[in-house]
Amino acid sequence: AQSVTQPDIHITVSEGASLELRCNYSYGATPYLFWYVQSPGQGLQLLLKYFSGDTLVQGIKGFEAEFKRSQSSFNLRKPSVHWSDAAEYFCAVGASYNTDKLIFGTGTRLQVFP
Amino acid sequence: GAVVSQHPSRVICKSGTSVKIECRSLDFQATTMFWYRQFPKKSLMLMATSNEGSKATYEQGVEKDKFLINHASLTLSTLTVTSAHPEDSSFYICSASYRFLGDEQYFGPGTRLTVT
Repeated sequence: AQSVTQPDIHITVSEGASLELRCNYSYGATPYLFWYVQSPGQGLQLLLKYFSGDTLVQGIKGFEAEFKRSQSSFNLRKPSVHWSDAAEYFCAVGASYNTDKLIFGTGTRLQVFP
Repeated sequence: GAVVSQHPSRVICKSGTSVKIECRSLDFQATTMFWYRQFPKKSLMLMATSNEGSKATYEQGVEKDKFLINHASLTLSTLTVTSAHPEDSSFYICSASYRFLGDEQYFGPGTRLTVT
């Protein structure tokens, strides 16, 4: 069955520290992987996506993610976290070439201390 | 960028009544709109997919008579929760996509429904 697992429910980091949010997926076909951020009162915003090619993808707001097929992972990273990065982060997997039928993980809440 | 709005942002209704939630694509025409439900500490669950002018396609386990979806125009979709019960209380999120924007889904800010 298709699924996405985000093992960390809640992560707290200090501002300026590095960040890695974990995402593991189970998908029968070639996965199309996404990271979204959800801030209070705002819709989910796409940070980055991976379809094919270079396994290290760059996104907005200084985020990047690395696709590792052998580990079925697509972890999100940022070298230096800003207080404004505090939000809920969702990993998702989709089918084929478009973003229909997105399957979301349960999310990781990021808290940033000054 | 593409903007999707939802109205209302919060609604409280009494058990047994119906409530309508609107989802609008403000600056693009949405060929497809999606409705999700988000439980506390849970992921978003896709409820249904709708294409303008067509009947919505519901995911398994979602009651189509309970959650009525109408996609009457390329910029508006509505979700009506009929005969609401407290267990319908949740956060409902819509998204919209447009094939010429690469089919990426653009999400609305969500609607918090509380049924008393």
